[in-house]
Amino acid sequence: AQSVTQLDSQVPVFEEAPVELRCNYSSSVSVYLFWYVQYPNQGLQLLLKYLSGSTLVKGINGFEAEFNKSQTSFHLRKPSVHISDTAEYFCAVSDRSSASKIIFGSGTRLSIRP
Amino acid sequence: KAGVTQTPRYLIKTRGQQVTLSCSPISGHRSVSWYQQTPGQGLQFLFEYFSETQRNKGNFPGRFSGRQFSNSRSEMNVSTLELGDSALYLCASSFRSGTGQNEQFFGPGTRLTVL
Repeated sequence: AQSVTQLDSQVPVFEEAPVELRCNYSSSVSVYLFWYVQYPNQGLQLLLKYLSGSTLVKGINGFEAEFNKSQTSFHLRKPSVHISDTAEYFCAVSDRSSASKIIFGSGTRLSIRP
Repeated sequence: KAGVTQTPRYLIKTRGQQVTLSCSPISGHRSVSWYQQTPGQGLQFLFEYFSETQRNKGNFPGRFSGRQFSNSRSEMNVSTLELGDSALYLCASSFRSGTGQNEQFFGPGTRLTVL
């Protein structure tokens, strides 16, 4: 079985500062990894995903994440945040053999201060 | 291309009642997955339907059921509602089932409140 741990429930950052949202996963099998964003009163939007290949994955809105197999981590980063990045971010994992079943972390609320 | 639509967007029910939620996937998508989102438990996978067949199931009681029609639209039913069923129910559609190459697109959700 897979599990996902998002180490920070809330991350406050000043506008234009860099940010890192941390994610660790646990799985006994090969997995796919995802980051989703949820804006208030909306559904989830895929930011980026790691399937295979290069461990550095670039996504939408200037976000990127690095897959680290030895540390079982998939941290999300952005070099300079904007007020519009205020949202909740979810790290997620799925078993490659059952990839439609996504296991989500508990979420990290990113709040941007002007 | 229209996105995933869910109806109704908001619903209020009382304990013991049953409820049916609807999800219309993106045109051409044949897989529909359902998730429950609550402050306490977070986002949890309910089930997935593909070509009218349930392909995957999460760890929820039998009060939660679903089905998919030939046009890929899906419904989710919860019987004998409990207060703890209050949640945002999200539907996601994808073209195929079972591969990470296959992005899931989420709808805006149905917010169910059980009184």
